[in-house]
Amino acid sequence: DQQVKQNSPSLSVQEGRISILNCDYTNSMFDYFLWYKKYPAEGPTFLISISSIKDKNEDGRFTVFLNKSAKHLSLHIVPSQPGDSAVYFCAASDPKGTYKYIFGTGTRLKVLA
Amino acid sequence: GAGVSQSPSNKVTEKGKDVELRCDPISGHTALYWYRQSLGQGLEFLIYFQGNSAPDKSGLPSDRFSAERTGGSVSTLTIQRTQQEDSAVYLCASSPDIGSYEQYFGPGTRLTVT
Repeated sequence: DQQVKQNSPSLSVQEGRISILNCDYTNSMFDYFLWYKKYPAEGPTFLISISSIKDKNEDGRFTVFLNKSAKHLSLHIVPSQPGDSAVYFCAASDPKGTYKYIFGTGTRLKVLA
Repeated sequence: GAGVSQSPSNKVTEKGKDVELRCDPISGHTALYWYRQSLGQGLEFLIYFQGNSAPDKSGLPSDRFSAERTGGSVSTLTIQRTQQEDSAVYLCASSPDIGSYEQYFGPGTRLTVT
């Protein structure tokens, strides 16, 4: 079963506009969420995170929003830049303390110049 | 400084052969994780190490998979009697300690079983 879902496999956005990447989860006990960015032939790199006790975390052009009641988080990138084109994974920390991280299947973002 | 490195970057092997994948974590990082990404799938957790011990091996797909870590540094993931469904990118990540949420990933090893 997919505990972390990214239902949009791809997204195209015009340069300068906002990119919104979505992620849904099923386990209300997840206590920490992360976003990673992955370029081809490279490993994922950490982007931004949010604790379950918060509903927003901002870092420069990147903001993550968490809606616990809807079990939904989103990553906003504004303004989008061509260098943001990559695959974005959301991940959730397993609450059983085993330090597993459950990843979604990723969303490929293409920012058009 | 040096990041996480993995070798080989690509491995093609025949079905039934054993393969060994290597991960060199960032120096000083005590936590080490192995994942795999099959085509069109997300990252699948396999195993993590805190130091040299692996408290949770439940993510390993079968008993053909094993992993070890020595000296609190280098880790090897071994797949015995490889099957075609083992074809995937195997990713290793490290973090300063087990309580650190942020993980630093290596570039991965692309394994193809023919």
